[in-house]
Amino acid sequence: DQQVKQNSPSLSVQEGRISILNCDYTNSMFDYFLWYKKYPAEGPTFLISISSIKDKNEDGRFTVFLNKSAKHLSLHIVPSQPGDSAVYFCAALNRDDKIIFGKGTRLHILP
Amino acid sequence: GAGVSQSPSNKVTEKGKDVELRCDPISGHTALYWYRQSLGQGLEFLIYFQGNSAPDKSGLPSDRFSAERTGGSVSTLTIQRTQQEDSAVYLCASSPQRTSGINEQFFGPGTRLTVL
Repeated sequence: DQQVKQNSPSLSVQEGRISILNCDYTNSMFDYFLWYKKYPAEGPTFLISISSIKDKNEDGRFTVFLNKSAKHLSLHIVPSQPGDSAVYFCAALNRDDKIIFGKGTRLHILP
Repeated sequence: GAGVSQSPSNKVTEKGKDVELRCDPISGHTALYWYRQSLGQGLEFLIYFQGNSAPDKSGLPSDRFSAERTGGSVSTLTIQRTQQEDSAVYLCASSPQRTSGINEQFFGPGTRLTVL
């Protein structure tokens, strides 16, 4: 049973436009939500997080939105740049510090 | 070193052999995680060590998989009698003691295991 779901395996966005990556979860007890970025042959790197008590967190070009009633979060990247091409993992943290990852979405930024 | 390191970076083995994968976490990090990523799949949780507590082994797919963490630092993931479906990238991550807020996990580069 997948607790964190990323239903889009891939997404293509024109350079300069907004990239929106979506994530749904099933467990209302998650404490924090995180986004990780992964390049080929490298481990994932932390990108941005949001507490379950917030609905928005912004860091430069990256903004994460949380809709608790819908159990949905999204990562917005604007403007999208070529270096943003990577796999993005949505993850949720429970109070035992166990992180549950989604399957990832591969983002392609088109020139 | 500054980050999480894993060895070997690549391992090719024959079906039925045992393999050991090593993870050196960031010094001082109390939590250590093992994940694997199979082709086309997401990050699958395997096992989690937190300080001196009993590890959370709930993600280990079978009893052929085991892991230990010696002295609260280095961890070894052992896969016995490897099968072709064990082929994947095995990722290790560590994080510091969580005091408040979010605890970011720092990942190593992974070990790519290929079982022939």
